[in-house]
This record gives sequence, structure tokens and C-alpha cells, in this order.
Amino acid sequence: AQSVTQLGSHVSVSEGALVLLRCNYSSSVPPYLFWYVQYPNQGLQLLLKYTSAATLVKGINGFEAEFKKSETSFHLTKPSAHMSDAAEYFCAVSLYSGNTGKLIFGQGTTLQVKP
Amino acid sequence: DGGITQSPKYLFRKEGQNVTLSCEQNLNHDAMYWYRQDPGQGLRLIYYSQIVNDFQKGDIAEGYSVSREKKESFPLTVTSAQKNPTAFYLCASSDRALTFGSGTRLTVV
Repeated sequence: AQSVTQLGSHVSVSEGALVLLRCNYSSSVPPYLFWYVQYPNQGLQLLLKYTSAATLVKGINGFEAEFKKSETSFHLTKPSAHMSDAAEYFCAVSLYSGNTGKLIFGQGTTLQVKP
Repeated sequence: DGGITQSPKYLFRKEGQNVTLSCEQNLNHDAMYWYRQDPGQGLRLIYYSQIVNDFQKGDIAEGYSVSREKKESFPLTVTSAQKNPTAFYLCASSDRALTFGSGTRLTVV
């Protein structure tokens, strides 16, 4: 069965430091991969998605993620953290190209940004 | 602006009562979804619908029911059979990726 593992439920960085949020997936077929961000008491917003085109995917707010098939990973990075990046981040996988709404989500990583 | 509207934002229910959560979209998406979110957990799929008058169970459908009579609307009923209904409920629609509403927080009192 497909699954998603986010390593680290909480990550803390200083403002201006590199952000690295880790995501590993298990899949027997080429996956579609997503990163979403959630601010308190709000819905999720799409940051970026991988759909078998370029392995380095650029998203909104300066975030990017690299698909590494050999490592079954899709880690999210941002070169310089801003205070406004503090939120919860979810990695998700879909195995169905015809249904990119039926997703398996990781448990989420809360990003804290310290001044 | 196009988007998904969920109402109410907060909902309190007594044990043994059914309650219906509203979800409306004006994105013209065919597919709609209901996810449940619990603290410290990811989202889990309750029900989804890819076309009007048709819907499928997700991973945790027990104790829930849905209808899809119009393309724009996908209400979720939390029945008294749902053993642990207190959670944050998120509705979404999809074209090439999910677009979420702002959620309904349901508390059983």
C-alpha cells in the first residue's frame, strides 16, 4: 500500500536560515507528489506538485522540492526562512493520474521560525 | 473570486444527533472531496464524488453520509453512528490538484 512519511513532526529554524522539510513515500508506480501548507484554523493551500515532468519543482513563496526516485523522497526546501513561513506542512501522494484529489497525506510537520 | 465555501466555521453537536456540514464551490470542478483532520495527524479521506449523483467511500466512511445532487454542492452528514466525530472537517474540489475550503470545526458536547 502507498504511504507517506514526514520525518520530524516539529522543525525549528532561525529567520534567514535554510528550511528543509523531509518527505519519503512508498509506491510501486510513479507517483504524483504534493506539498501543502496550513495556517492555524484554515484549509490547506497548494505549495507545489510533481507530476512526472521536471524533477526539481518550484512552488509559491520561494519553496521548491526535488523528486528523487532512487531515494523515494520529495523533500521541501527554502533558502531563507521568513517569519510568515511558520505553519504546518503536509506532504501527500496520489497514485492515480486521473484522480489527483484522492491523496494519502503524511502526518504533517510544524515549522517554527525564530527571530 | 472562485473558491470553496464551508459553513459553519464552528459547530457544536450533542451526542446522538446528526449534523450536516455545508460545502459549496464555484470553481466548476467535477470532483469534490471530504477529509477529516485530527490533531497531530494528517488528513484522511471520508468520501469523494467525481460526478453529480455519484460518490464513493474513502478510507473512513463509517458514520458519515453524503449527497451530490448539484455540481456545486457536496454536503456531509455526520451521523450518530460516528463514534468520535470531534474533528476538523475539510472540503475540497479538484481539477489537477486539490483546492480546499477553510474548514468546519465540529465539537461534540
